[in-house]
Amino acid sequence: AQSVTQPDIHITVSEGASLELRCNYSYGATPYLFWYVQSPGQGLQLLLKYFSGDTLVQGIKGFEAEFKRSQSSFNLRKPSVHWSDAAEYFCAVGLTNTGNQFYFGTGTSLTVIP
Amino acid sequence: NAGVMQNPRHLVRRRGQEARLRCSPMKGHSHVYWYRQLPEEGLKFMVYLQKENIIDESGMPKERFSAEFPKEGPSILRIQQVVRGDSAAYFCASSPAGEDYFGNGTRLTVT
Repeated sequence: AQSVTQPDIHITVSEGASLELRCNYSYGATPYLFWYVQSPGQGLQLLLKYFSGDTLVQGIKGFEAEFKRSQSSFNLRKPSVHWSDAAEYFCAVGLTNTGNQFYFGTGTSLTVIP
Repeated sequence: NAGVMQNPRHLVRRRGQEARLRCSPMKGHSHVYWYRQLPEEGLKFMVYLQKENIIDESGMPKERFSAEFPKEGPSILRIQQVVRGDSAAYFCASSPAGEDYFGNGTRLTVT
């Protein structure tokens, strides 16, 4: 069965510090991988996605993520966090063989302190 | 994602009432997905529809929940005889293929 694990429920970083949010997945085929950000009371905004090709993908707002097949991971990174990055971050796996429905992780809540 | 329109943004229902959530996909998108987000959890897939067809409803509760996407008009997620456990944020997404665009959700509160 497909699953997505985000092991960190909550992370606190100082503004200007680097950030890495972890995501591991379990899926038998080549996954479509996504990171979404959700601000309080809002919908989900796509940060970046991986379908194939270069395993390091660049997204919006200075985020990047690296697909590592051997580790079944797709960690999200940002070199310098801004206060406006405080939000909930969701990793998702999109199925390639049964349509576009996604499996989401439980999310990582990011707090940014001055 | 601003192109996927959901209404209402907030919906309050008493136990036993019906809740109707509407979703208008982005122009040109014929695939609609409904997800439910319980408090402090990730989104869970409920149902996948194309115009006039339910493609996959494996995530839908067996009772009280139904969804439709008619030839004309928005997709509707209908919850009959709501209970407190139905309180959640319900998100709709639309897609051409391979990427979902999400609406801002409907937050259902059952009192």
